[in-house]
Amino acid sequence: GQNIDQPTEMTATEGAIVQINCTYQTSGFNGLFWYQQHAGEAPTFLSYNVLDGLEEKGRFSSFLSRSKGYSYLLLKELQMKDSASYLCAVRGFTDKLIFGTGTRLQVFP
Amino acid sequence: KAGVTQTPRYLIKTRGQQVTLSCSPISGHRSVSWYQQTPGQGLQFLFEYFSETQRNKGNFPGRFSGRQFSNSRSEMNVSTLELGDSALYLCASSSPGQASTDTQYFGPGTRLTVL
Repeated sequence: GQNIDQPTEMTATEGAIVQINCTYQTSGFNGLFWYQQHAGEAPTFLSYNVLDGLEEKGRFSSFLSRSKGYSYLLLKELQMKDSASYLCAVRGFTDKLIFGTGTRLQVFP
Repeated sequence: KAGVTQTPRYLIKTRGQQVTLSCSPISGHRSVSWYQQTPGQGLQFLFEYFSETQRNKGNFPGRFSGRQFSNSRSEMNVSTLELGDSALYLCASSSPGQASTDTQYFGPGTRLTVL
């Protein structure tokens, strides 16, 4: 079967660093995506990993280990506006995008 | 470049009715995917269309159907609505090319409430 696991909720303090983990078991692997979704809004694309290693984009970085079926999203210098749900999604060999249920991050002052 | 647009944004229907939702992709994007989002299940893949052909399908009953037009606009239809169909329906488009590397860009969604 196909399964993507993420923590349901996390909390952090403004200015801190937070790491959101994602583990997956899918039929094949053609890339892993991270999306941010604010309440009541559409998901917006954050990052894409297809090779092992770290992809850095400003305050956000995403890491992938294909052998471990593991990824994380690292958010640095947290801001209040980073309070949102973070969705991990994996594209398998069928090219379908399978989403985890998302991690709701709350940033406190 | 305009983003993905979806109409209507909100819809209230009663059980047994049918509904049609519309999605206009980003200009130049030929792939359109539909998702259902509920608090308990997260984002669930419904189907994907590319060049007017259904390329992929999720595990939803036959009451859920879709189509894509020559201008890449897509519609999805749900017949014989059930209470459990209440959800946010999201459409996402991606550019032509290698499907496995294409990033999907989401529209604002249609919030469907079934009474």
